Amino acid sequence: EPEVTQTPSHQVTQMGQEVILRCVPISNHLYFYWYRQILGQKVEFLVSFYNNEISEKSEIFDDQFSVERPDGSNFTLKIRSTKLEDSAMYFCASTRQGREKLFFGSGTQLSVL
Amino acid sequence: GEDVEQSLFLSVREGDSSVINCTYTDSSSTYLYWYKQEPGAGLQLLTYIFSNMDMKQDQRLTVLLNKKDKHLSLRIADTQTGDSAIYFCAESISSYHSGAGSYQLTFGKGTKLSVIP
Repeated sequence: EPEVTQTPSHQVTQMGQEVILRCVPISNHLYFYWYRQILGQKVEFLVSFYNNEISEKSEIFDDQFSVERPDGSNFTLKIRSTKLEDSAMYFCASTRQGREKLFFGSGTQLSVL
Repeated sequence: GEDVEQSLFLSVREGDSSVINCTYTDSSSTYLYWYKQEPGAGLQLLTYIFSNMDMKQDQRLTVLLNKKDKHLSLRIADTQTGDSAIYFCAESISSYHSGAGSYQLTFGKGTKLSVIP
């Protein structure tokens, strides 16, 4: 069964450093998403992306965050200057059409020290 | 705003049925989902139900939807130790941008199911 893949599975960084989290969505999917889960809290929506532009973003997705689809297969989330509170599990997801079920990757655990 | 609530813990004996409950607030939800998260793993879609349905059965899983009360439940028959995980209820909120549909999911905090051998 096709799946969403995310790399790396764990990322440790120093506060203030830039990180890029990478995702390869399912190949025929058109909508892409990032969610995050801070330890012990709910999974939260960050951003959705369609047709090479952001469709929706939450309040969490401030100017420190950006997304990009640099080629036909990858979908990245960049955090420019990481803060301690950015430590979380970041999930990428994709759907073929906007109203269909979301397929999630296994996540990248980001630890900001 | 939208909110999804679940009890945090459930403990059952192996072989018994598990029932995980969820309430949601957005009456315009189109789909409601159950995701499973095993330790250190991602979110695995278990099943989902369209909002005009009352029930959906898929092998050991039964989803019941009471739209009037905005209540969703997941029943796992013959619960096994491999079912031990956190189960997330989620609702979809659709929105449109540039004529295309995309949607967000609002998740509950998750119910940790522990299966006692």
